[in-house]
Amino acid sequence: ITLKESGPTLAKPTETVTLTCTFSGFSLSSSGVGVGWIRQSPGGALEWLALIYWNDDKYYSPSLNNRLTITTDTSKIQVVLTLTDVDPEDTGTYFCTHSFRSKLSTNDFDYWGQGTLVTVSS
Amino acid sequence: DVVMTQSPLSLPVTLGQPASISCRSSQSLEHSDGNTYLNWFQQRPGQSPRRLIYKVSNRDSGVPDRFSGSGSGTDFTLKISRVEAEDVGVYYCMQGAHWPRTFGQGTKVEIK
Repeated sequence: ITLKESGPTLAKPTETVTLTCTFSGFSLSSSGVGVGWIRQSPGGALEWLALIYWNDDKYYSPSLNNRLTITTDTSKIQVVLTLTDVDPEDTGTYFCTHSFRSKLSTNDFDYWGQGTLVTVSS
Repeated sequence: DVVMTQSPLSLPVTLGQPASISCRSSQSLEHSDGNTYLNWFQQRPGQSPRRLIYKVSNRDSGVPDRFSGSGSGTDFTLKISRVEAEDVGVYYCMQGAHWPRTFGQGTKVEIK
């Protein structure tokens, strides 16, 4: 399983940032599979942002809910995260992660991408 | 949100000696499905986080057996039986029982 993030390295305040996670080794069409996003501030704090499951169930961080949208492409080989109205506090490294859930158990963030650094500055 | 509190935040250790990190949650991490969802991650310098332990005490594939996790309810511990140079980095606990998922502040492990 591999995941790779891509997106702009620099954004201006108030802009919308679109990040793409391209993965291989699993299918988002398979029952139980999920792909999510976690970011890390320059100081090191990890913050979970959003997660989408194979059946289109979506979960968002309440602190960013109205600014985040997570979607998958029609072929389900990419997951896209959109963050609107960015601000310098959104500066950080954004990671894409794999999850899996079943009726018996949930398995969070067992695989991570390399991360992509986004800097918000005017 | 469930608050995850780690201690210590900095942990200087001597090579070959044990190390222990505590993680406390503001709510029980016992889920209605019967599992307790507490994970531990390691982030070496310049690398992405890597999961070491899931559901309190289960080691991920490839994780050395010197790493062990324990605990229940709201109190959890990660132990390294004998610290090696490759264990230097930051360790984070994370709860997966409640939405939103939340992480501890991180504990920086360094060699004395």
